[in-house]
Amino acid sequence: NAGVTQTPKFRVLKTGQSMTLLCAQDMNHEYMYWYRQDPGMGLRLIHYSVGEGTTAKGEVPDGYNVSRLKKQNFLLGLESAAPSQTSVYFCASSYSGQNTEAFFGQGTRLTVV
Amino acid sequence: AQKVTQAQTEISVVEKEDVTLDCVYETRDTTYYLFWYKQPPSGELVFLIRRNSFDEQNEISGRYSWNFQKSTSSFNFTITASQVVDSAVYFCALRMEYGNKLVFGAGTILRVKS
Repeated sequence: NAGVTQTPKFRVLKTGQSMTLLCAQDMNHEYMYWYRQDPGMGLRLIHYSVGEGTTAKGEVPDGYNVSRLKKQNFLLGLESAAPSQTSVYFCASSYSGQNTEAFFGQGTRLTVV
Repeated sequence: AQKVTQAQTEISVVEKEDVTLDCVYETRDTTYYLFWYKQPPSGELVFLIRRNSFDEQNEISGRYSWNFQKSTSSFNFTITASQVVDSAVYFCALRMEYGNKLVFGAGTILRVKS
């Protein structure tokens, strides 16, 4: 019962470095999302995907890129990390119906120094 | 545009008190879906309830109950006889009928003291 798995769980980056966060789900969900959580701001949508090969911008997409080459995987990339990207990142997935809840991964705590 | 407001940033109660978490949403659509999630100190997000806009019936699940009122665009969450294990951040969220995004409120931190 893996559900949604995020890799890594923790990471410290230096400003300007790049990295990729991996999200994998084993529920055959069509929709996948990347959110960031910052104190007092709730969860803000970065990018999302409604199916394999498709991606779309969310509320705060700048500085991030995503790819959905396989249905079960959704990658979030930071090309040149900035301290403002220090946050907790959550991946989520759901069935395609609007009346369905999203299932979340355990989160990735990223610190950019 | 869709928006969710959780005006209570933080609430502290003593164990066994009842507590209500407020959620007010904005949308122009007639069909939409509302959700509540719990984030305990361990950090994961746990789904609690889903409600669609055509179902205004209140729901009770054990010590939890939800009051959905379309007239005031509110979907409030009440915990009866609170327990220390209820301490968490609670998020309200909204999804539109033809949208793919799940929009969250800022969350309410609930602290239950023994």
